[in-house]
Amino acid sequence: GAGVSQSPSNKVTEKGKDVELRCDPISGHTALYWYRQSLGQGLEFLIYFQGNSAPDKSGLPSDRFSAERTGGSVSTLTIQRTQQEDSAVYLCASSRLSGLNTGELFFGEGSRLTVL
Amino acid sequence: ELKVEQNPLFLSMQEGKNYTIYCNYSTTSDRLYWYRQDPGKSLESLFVLLSNGAVKQEGRLMASLDTKARLSTLHITAAVHDLSATYFCAVVRSGTYKYIFGTGTRLKVLA
Repeated sequence: GAGVSQSPSNKVTEKGKDVELRCDPISGHTALYWYRQSLGQGLEFLIYFQGNSAPDKSGLPSDRFSAERTGGSVSTLTIQRTQQEDSAVYLCASSRLSGLNTGELFFGEGSRLTVL
Repeated sequence: ELKVEQNPLFLSMQEGKNYTIYCNYSTTSDRLYWYRQDPGKSLESLFVLLSNGAVKQEGRLMASLDTKARLSTLHITAAVHDLSATYFCAVVRSGTYKYIFGTGTRLKVLA
């Protein structure tokens, strides 16, 4: 696609349920990032992928959070046993990382998660 | 730990006025980015600054980077209502691909 695509755009779930959020990056972008943005707040780094590997998982808040990327393309962020504090907008971004590239991040529209 | 701080956090200004938003960061970096976020929307790239002394301008916005001072500025000239948004800077620590975002500056331009 032309841009970064995220689904679902909105998800309401009950506390304790598992959720999966999906990100389809711009074709050819090797790097993929997940951020979390709580209401009125800045962006909290969660994890990034270079290809299918995740060199930096340091931002994942707890072991309830996991992410994978397959085929160097689509990524899934999974939150198990959701808690109310997980409510936020989850933003995905991709970038074509190379020596000649500016490294600019392109963001999707986000997945808004509400945990009741 | 790389920290990125912006000030002010909130800015309310009259149309036609000038103002500057500051972005300070705590470690070596040679790349800095500015993004704009409208309410309920995602982030849109504004400027990419890749070297010390870089200056970029687009319309009423001008961004600059001083890597020695670890400081970037986003200057607004003769503000208009359409510039109302939240502005974020982001820094990449040298040798990594981890982008850390600033706290954001919520700008409101009053007509």
